[in-house]
Amino acid sequence: NAGVTQTPKFRVLKTGQSMTLLCAQDMNHEYMYWYRQDPGMGLRLIHYSVGEGTTAKGEVPDGYNVSRLKKQNFLLGLESAAPSQTSVYFCASRMVRLNSYEQYFGPGTRLTVT
Amino acid sequence: EDQVTQSPEALRLQEGESSSLNCSYTVSGLRGLFWYRQDPGKGPEFLFTLYSAGEEKEKERLKATLTKKESFLHITAPKPEDSATYLCAVQGVNGLKLSFGAGTTVTVRA
Repeated sequence: NAGVTQTPKFRVLKTGQSMTLLCAQDMNHEYMYWYRQDPGMGLRLIHYSVGEGTTAKGEVPDGYNVSRLKKQNFLLGLESAAPSQTSVYFCASRMVRLNSYEQYFGPGTRLTVT
Repeated sequence: EDQVTQSPEALRLQEGESSSLNCSYTVSGLRGLFWYRQDPGKGPEFLFTLYSAGEEKEKERLKATLTKKESFLHITAPKPEDSATYLCAVQGVNGLKLSFGAGTTVTVRA
């Protein structure tokens, strides 16, 4: 089991460029999440998905789009990158089971926008 | 809105010097309180889930406890390998999303 994997690990973009971050999980989890982590601010939820073909906005969705075409994959897109989107991005997933809410995280993608 | 506050922001310990980290929370209908460990440059690693006040969980030198307003992560006789950032999160009644604190960075010196 690879768990949750993320590609790429690092990326540098120029302002206005676009990119897609890929998250994949092999645990057959229903729910998937995208977070960003900034110094002193903790993890903030960008978007999440409760199943294939469904997505919803989190706490900080502006400037990002997501898609969940397959159960095991969750894509995060930046259409026109801005320096404020410089951050570390984490994907997470969890199963749907009573009294089992823990999320499992990927290794992260460090994105710098210049 | 669910809120989580962790203290202190940073903690420097000598090897063997036990201490505690605090996580204060406000949540509408607690479904679970979670502790994660995060090493530099890596993703958070799940440690514990606590579901109700009075519950305790242990793993090696770590022990997590829960009251109605806060949780403590006790580190007993820490070793340098316990150095990491420890994150606390809560799951509220909606059952979908976690709310995270900013974390406590623990450094254990040999």
